[in-house]
Amino acid sequence: GDSVTQTEGLVTLTEGLPVMLNCTYQTIYSNPFLFWYVQHLNESPRLLLKSFTDNKRTEHQGFHATLHKSSSSFHLQKSSAQLSDSALYYCALSDRHYNQGKLIFGQGTKLSIKP
Amino acid sequence: GPKVLQIPSHQIIDMGQMVTLNCDPVSNHLYFYWYKQILGQQMEFLVNFYNGKVMEKSKLFKDQFSVERPDGSYFTLKIQPTALEDSAVYFCASSLELGGNYAEQFFGPGTRLTVL
Repeated sequence: GDSVTQTEGLVTLTEGLPVMLNCTYQTIYSNPFLFWYVQHLNESPRLLLKSFTDNKRTEHQGFHATLHKSSSSFHLQKSSAQLSDSALYYCALSDRHYNQGKLIFGQGTKLSIKP
Repeated sequence: GPKVLQIPSHQIIDMGQMVTLNCDPVSNHLYFYWYKQILGQQMEFLVNFYNGKVMEKSKLFKDQFSVERPDGSYFTLKIQPTALEDSAVYFCASSLELGGNYAEQFFGPGTRLTVL
């Protein structure tokens, strides 16, 4: 079936270093729609990035990701980590034209930024 | 930004009892969702709901589960009777559309359900 894999459960970085969180997916959908959600402590998950366009970089709040259908990947990156980036990050998959809006989530990556 | 509220934040009940989880979605949204997250695992889709009807449900949406949104009030998830394996955090979400630019799902903070 369809699935999303986030290989890192915990990523610990020093402030100022680059961030890369991995996300790969498997799907039968012909038009995959990929999302990154971020959840800060005691808050709701909120949308950070989304894309359905192959090989096009999408950016928001200093983060960026590019959907690569050839490798089924949608890695999240940031050039310089900030303390406020510490949170849980979820990669999720949907289909742009089908599947009734259902989101399929990865296991989540906890990002911990240290001074 | 738009907020989804969930009441209560934490519910503890005895196995076999009924529980209702309440969600106050974003006011103009039309599509509503429940997701379940067992501790240490990913969020999993349970059900979505539109125009008074269930559109799709997963295999996790057991016969003991039901959803409704009477008269545009809370979107509710009812479990009757509850089982130990129902212990999880339940997230409610809503969206304006299913696809396209307004398909973003806005999530509530979750209700932590503990079944003893």
